[in-house]
Amino acid sequence: EAQVTQNPRYLITVTGKKLTVTCSQNMNHEYMSWYRQDPGLGLRQIYYSMNVEVTDKGDVPEGYKVSRKEKRNFPLILESPSPNQTSLYFCASSLGERGRISRTEAFFGQGTRLTVV
Amino acid sequence: AQSVTQLGSHVSVSEGALVLLRCNYSSSVPPYLFWYVQYPNQGLQLLLKYTTGATLVKGINGFEAEFKKSETSFHLTKPSAHMSDAAEYFCAVSEKGGYNKLIFGAGTRLAVHP
Repeated sequence: EAQVTQNPRYLITVTGKKLTVTCSQNMNHEYMSWYRQDPGLGLRQIYYSMNVEVTDKGDVPEGYKVSRKEKRNFPLILESPSPNQTSLYFCASSLGERGRISRTEAFFGQGTRLTVV
Repeated sequence: AQSVTQLGSHVSVSEGALVLLRCNYSSSVPPYLFWYVQYPNQGLQLLLKYTTGATLVKGINGFEAEFKKSETSFHLTKPSAHMSDAAEYFCAVSEKGGYNKLIFGAGTRLAVHP
């Protein structure tokens, strides 16, 4: 079954304690991205990756890091989480279409609800 | 910068009634347009998309949307609401020629009552 898998689904942590949210897709997609969802704001892109070892900032990258060492995995790293990073996080992947991927469907994981206290 | 406006953060309809969820985008160059649905405790699922061709697009679960360039709109409709349609709906755009960065509206939560 084609899917994007995120772990954990729920996480409560304390301010400053480094954490990683994992994301894996089994569709051989080139493009992966991370979004955060906040009430009244919809989803906003944090980081994206066009392919292995190619990553770039989205709209709200502050306080986050990513890496793309393998095509299937795209972990999100919070090195020193703060309460304003309490949010619902989604990983998404898309198939590249001759480099023009803006029309293709994004597949989303089930989300990770993070609470930083 | 591109933006997406969804009119109405909450919409409530009776079962069997028409569903109309509104979406307007800001750019003068029409982008690619998407509607996603989010059921409770789940990720987002594509309902339908418009990229080119016929402006009336049919999606899953009986939903459809019409792209109107003159109104910069992409409203989502369903003729008869079902209880299982209760969810949050997001309109999103992706700029042509760019990478797949989706710009989302704030979302509309649809409630369906008996």
